[in-house]
Amino acid sequence: EVQLVESGGGLVQSGGSLRLSCTASGFTLSAYWMTWVRQAPGKGLEWVASIKEDGSETYYVGSVKGRFTISRDNAKNSLYLQMNSLRAEDTAVYYCARGATAPPDYWGQGTLVTVSS
Amino acid sequence: QSALTQPASVSGSPGQSITISCDGTSSDVGNYNLVSWYQQYPGKAPKIIIYEVSKRPSGVSNRFSGSKSGNTASLTISGLQAEDEGDYYCCSYEGSISFYVFGTGTKVTV
Repeated sequence: EVQLVESGGGLVQSGGSLRLSCTASGFTLSAYWMTWVRQAPGKGLEWVASIKEDGSETYYVGSVKGRFTISRDNAKNSLYLQMNSLRAEDTAVYYCARGATAPPDYWGQGTLVTVSS
Repeated sequence: QSALTQPASVSGSPGQSITISCDGTSSDVGNYNLVSWYQQYPGKAPKIIIYEVSKRPSGVSNRFSGSKSGNTASLTISGLQAEDEGDYYCCSYEGSISFYVFGTGTKVTV
């Protein structure tokens, strides 16, 4: 069974940093692009970042470029999102999802990031 | 990139059919047969119910069907059931960014 479990969310002050992790199981992580998607409270879904199977390519939505870094460790079955210079508008549930060159098919349950101003 | 446009809400009675529209442009919906739809319940992760415009993943009810005409994609839910209440998001490949964009989301009320 495919499972994605996020962790690392929490409350952080504006300007602070957080590192999200996503542990994958039930499939070969190294065979898939992976993606972070976020959802602000009461709002819709927003594509945040994606990373190629071997980590050689990364893509970001404009609003997080230069502040967020997506990475992965296939040996540890893990995906990461380093978030720096956090802003109030980054407050959201962050989902780890499998896929990017195809629409994400499996999603984790999400981890809440709250940025206080 | 801009989000695809969906109606904020759609409602129907049990047994009826409803259709949710997803308006895009020639850079996304209109130029690629790569539209997908997600169902999301409150506090839960999205679940893919349609991919490549009209294909259903294994296990998804055949009451859900997808189509596309020009720059607009549509999701139809037939034989509406109480369990269909939730939020629905379209998603399309966007050529200018080479990735996917989501719709604004539609709340379905039964």
